[in-house]
Order: sequence, then C-alpha cells, then structure tokens
Amino acid sequence: KQEVTQIPAALSVPEGENLVLNCSFTDSAIYNLQWFRQDPGKGLTSLLLIQSSQREQTSGRLNASLDKSSGRSTLYIAASQPGDSATYLCAVGGTYKYIFGTGTRLKVLA
Amino acid sequence: GAGVSQSPSNKVTEKGKDVELRCDPISGHTALYWYRQSLGQGLEFLIYFQGNSAPDKSGLPSDRFSAERTGGSVSTLTIQRTQQEDSAVYLCASSLDPEPGNTIYFGEGSWLTVV
Repeated sequence: KQEVTQIPAALSVPEGENLVLNCSFTDSAIYNLQWFRQDPGKGLTSLLLIQSSQREQTSGRLNASLDKSSGRSTLYIAASQPGDSATYLCAVGGTYKYIFGTGTRLKVLA
Repeated sequence: GAGVSQSPSNKVTEKGKDVELRCDPISGHTALYWYRQSLGQGLEFLIYFQGNSAPDKSGLPSDRFSAERTGGSVSTLTIQRTQQEDSAVYLCASSLDPEPGNTIYFGEGSWLTVV
C-alpha cells in the first residue's frame, strides 16, 4: 500500500529565503507525481507534474525533482514571498488515482 | 465549464439527515474523482469514475456513502444518515482521461458540517 509522507509539517521562513519541501513515498512503482498548493478554504491548484520518466520540472520560481528509486521528491521555492504562504501537497499517481501526503503548511513572513 | 464546479460550497446539516453534494467537471473530462479532506488531514480517496461507470469505489467509508455520474458529466455524492465524523471538505476533481500523466483539476470543495 502506497504511503506518502511530507516533512516538515509546518515551516515558517522570512521573505526572500530559498526553501525545500520534502515528499517521500513507499512504493516506487508510480506513474507521476504532482505538487499542489492549497490556500485556506480553497481547493487545490496543480503547480508541477513530473512524469515517472522525468527527473525534474520547473515553473517560474518553483522546481520539483523526482528520484523514483529512493522514493523522494522535493519542491524548491526560490526567493520566497508572503504570497507563497499556503499548504503544499504532493500526490503520487498510480494508474488512475493519486495518493496524497498530509502537506507542509508554509508561512513566509514579510 | 471553465473549471470544476461544486455545490453547495457550504452545508450544515443535522445528524441523521441525508445530504447530496454535486460536482460539475470540466467539459470533456471523462475521469472524475471524489476525495475527502478532514480537518488537519490529507486527502482521502473516495471514488473514481470513468465515464458513467465507477471502476473503483474502494474508498467509500461505509454503505451510507454512494455516488453516481450521469451523462458522463455531473456527479452526485450522497451521504445518508449523516454522522458527525462525516464533517469534512469533499473535493471533486476531473481529468481529460485517466491515462497517467494527465493533470487533475480540483473544485473548491463542499464544506460539510454535521451538527
């Protein structure tokens, strides 16, 4: 059974810092991995999708990496801003459904 | 539609009552998913539809929960005889098709409170 863990559960950083969010999964037989952002009281917004054959994806200040063999993914946020404050969820994709981690709650202080 | 639409956005109901939650996926998306997010918890998979059929209902927590999808579009999640532990956000998502690698798009959720 696939299990997804995110560390840390919460993170508070000053504006401008570069930071790394971690996601680990127990079963390396995945099709893809997605990182989502969730703002309070809102649904989820997809940030980056990494296919199982890829090592990383970049979008603006965000970079996500995937190491299937070790069961790990990281989300790197460069030059963090207060607007980045949200909960970040990683989700591991099987044949059709995603298994989610419990998220990292990020607060970027102005 | 432009995005996944869910209704109601908020629902407060008395214990023991039935509730229906509706999801209108993105037009043309054949795959539809229901997830549940309890306070402080991750997302819990409930059910997946491909077209009108539900190949995987394994996540439905009990027989009080049921879901259907008609016309390959709108889906309804029904919870009968609600209990307080059913209080959660119910999120619907859709994707173009269930092939691995397709981005899934989430609605804003239906916030259910059972009192």
